[in-house]
Amino acid sequence: QVQLQESGPGMVKPSETLSFTCTVSGGSISGYYWSWIRQSPGKGLEWIGYIYYTGSTDYNSSLKSRVTISVDTSKNQFSLKLNSVTAADTAVYYCARWGTRSSGQGAFDIWGQGTMVTVSS
Amino acid sequence: DIQMTQSPSSVSASVGDRVTITCRASQGISSWLAWYQQKPGKAPKLLIYAASSLQTGVPSRFSGSGSGTDFTLTISSLQPEDCATYFCQQANSFPLTFGGGTKVEIK
Repeated sequence: QVQLQESGPGMVKPSETLSFTCTVSGGSISGYYWSWIRQSPGKGLEWIGYIYYTGSTDYNSSLKSRVTISVDTSKNQFSLKLNSVTAADTAVYYCARWGTRSSGQGAFDIWGQGTMVTVSS
Repeated sequence: DIQMTQSPSSVSASVGDRVTITCRASQGISSWLAWYQQKPGKAPKLLIYAASSLQTGVPSRFSGSGSGTDFTLTISSLQPEDCATYFCQQANSFPLTFGGGTKVEIK
């Protein structure tokens, strides 16, 4: 079955760029939407944005100025970059497959295991 | 943004009890609501989508109902493995937003 695996740093310094990659295994990245979600004790679960396998994206307006999500279909991977990080960006970051409303779902049906990132000097 | 409010924030019940969790949206979201179960140190797991559709492989003791602004997740007979935090999520409009969570414990 389809599985997602995030990879990225455990710690980032303030003002630097946080980068994550999510590798899709057991299935193709093509034909689906893929998302990044984060979870912190202070803000709960927060949707960051999604990318379609074609490269079209949508981002949470609260983060839009700092976020870039990209896709590499040849590697079956998609990536997240969040720049100018602060302590408020400390969270567990998840990648997930987004089942769209047009598919009848409107939900995240497959999740990666999550990676904790701490922003600290 | 649509705000999602869950209640209660925590519930303690006995094995076999019926447990109901409520999620209220700050504006109408039709039936575009999903429920997730999250155990400590794990990613959320999809239980219910489109308000009442059971995700494949999820036990039938879980059910969802509601439309518009008010939704419920019901566990018909609580089992020990159901101890977890449950989240709702709206899919009516972007940005997608989640409720604050309800922690379910065994009494």
